[in-house]
Amino acid sequence: ETGVTQTPRHLVMGMTNKKSLKCEQHLGHNAMYWYKQSAKKPLELMFVYNFKEQTENNSVPSRFSPECPNSSHLFLHLHTLQPEDSALYLCASSQAFSGTRTSGVYNEQFFGPGTRLTVL
Amino acid sequence: DQQVKQNSPSLSVQEGRISILNCDYTNSMFDYFLWYKKYPAEGPTFLISISSIKDKNEDGRFTVFLNKSAKHLSLHIVPSQPGDSAVYFCAASNSGYALNFGKGTSLLVTP
Repeated sequence: ETGVTQTPRHLVMGMTNKKSLKCEQHLGHNAMYWYKQSAKKPLELMFVYNFKEQTENNSVPSRFSPECPNSSHLFLHLHTLQPEDSALYLCASSQAFSGTRTSGVYNEQFFGPGTRLTVL
Repeated sequence: DQQVKQNSPSLSVQEGRISILNCDYTNSMFDYFLWYKKYPAEGPTFLISISSIKDKNEDGRFTVFLNKSAKHLSLHIVPSQPGDSAVYFCAASNSGYALNFGKGTSLLVTP
């Protein structure tokens, strides 16, 4: 496998189910991201991990729980979701970023193909 | 509040002609801008970027222009090819890692 992979590619779940999305990157990166893309909305950043430490939680409801056991794997645990949570969930990875920001420097993010989630 | 806007949801261009995709932003703190391309059933792939210290960056058929005073950037594709048909996302960053995306513009290049 190369690049960023995500499983499953499609998921249908009921509101009372618990499921997990998995992301794996084979690029030697140390930063990983979860994004959500709802219909007719831009991609929204959900969570960021840098060297396995969560650095950003973009006001995401607690029914979404991320886990980053190592720099190659990222999970998104789902429980008691709502129908409005139906969306495309994208994982991305990049080189790690430092705490000291250098203006105009950006580490390119590589995206996986996404998991299309439908909540019934 | 959406900080990156792509006001044209779709664009159709003839093969061989120029495609111009536009993007506006509201946050003057953004200092890095990117264009991503997305085919159906695939994740977005990086296309080209530009730092706020420049006003133009070119890579083959793709050129990005940045007008900081107008808070506007554009992507030019010359000449357009049918394989360029995809959704193009504009994104901006001011943190070194967090990206703010536009809603995307669907480009169709017809033979």
